[in-house]
Amino acid sequence: AQSVSQHNHHVILSEAASLELGCNYSYGGTVNLFWYVQYPGQHLQLLLKYFSGDPLVKGIKGFEAEFIKSKFSFNLRKPSVQWSDTAEYFCAVTPSGYSTLTFGKGTMLLVSP
Amino acid sequence: DAGVIQSPRHEVTEMGQEVTLRCKPISGHDYLFWYRQTMMRGLELLIYFNNNVPIDDSGMPEDRFSAKMPNASFSTLKIQPSEPRDSAVYFCASSPLAGGNTGELFFGEGSRLTVL
Repeated sequence: AQSVSQHNHHVILSEAASLELGCNYSYGGTVNLFWYVQYPGQHLQLLLKYFSGDPLVKGIKGFEAEFIKSKFSFNLRKPSVQWSDTAEYFCAVTPSGYSTLTFGKGTMLLVSP
Repeated sequence: DAGVIQSPRHEVTEMGQEVTLRCKPISGHDYLFWYRQTMMRGLELLIYFNNNVPIDDSGMPEDRFSAKMPNASFSTLKIQPSEPRDSAVYFCASSPLAGGNTGELFFGEGSRLTVL
């Protein structure tokens, strides 16, 4: 079975700092990869996804992620964070063609103004 | 445009009591998923349905947990009897196609359960 590891449980940054959240997965075959975000008091929503093609994927609100197959990684990045980016971020993976997502345990990002 | 609707948002109950969590998926979505979120285990898939039929319930922790989907617009997750270790946030999500194929699960706001 596949698994997802997120490197940091909590990250604290100042506004305008750059962000990189690590995500590694374990699965030997072709995968689909996702980042979800949960803002305080809100439901999880899709930030970006990778199925195939360009390994650099751009999502909403200036986020991007890079799929590095050789490293089984799908790290999330943003050049300059804002206070409104304070949220919990979840990486998720599924083998291509499967129905269900396996989530990482999440990274809580706190951006101080 | 209504999203996935869950109720109750918060439930506090005593050990041994029956708990029923409810979910209304987005109209037209064929897939419905129940997830549980805890600090220790993160987001775990409990069960999912396709066209009201349970497809995989291997994530259901034990027989005290049961889930039903009597029609396309309603699902329940029941815990009987409840135990303190069941305390968690339970999320319902729906998808028009298999979550892995479309990439997007639409989540409800969750039901926070506390069992004393």
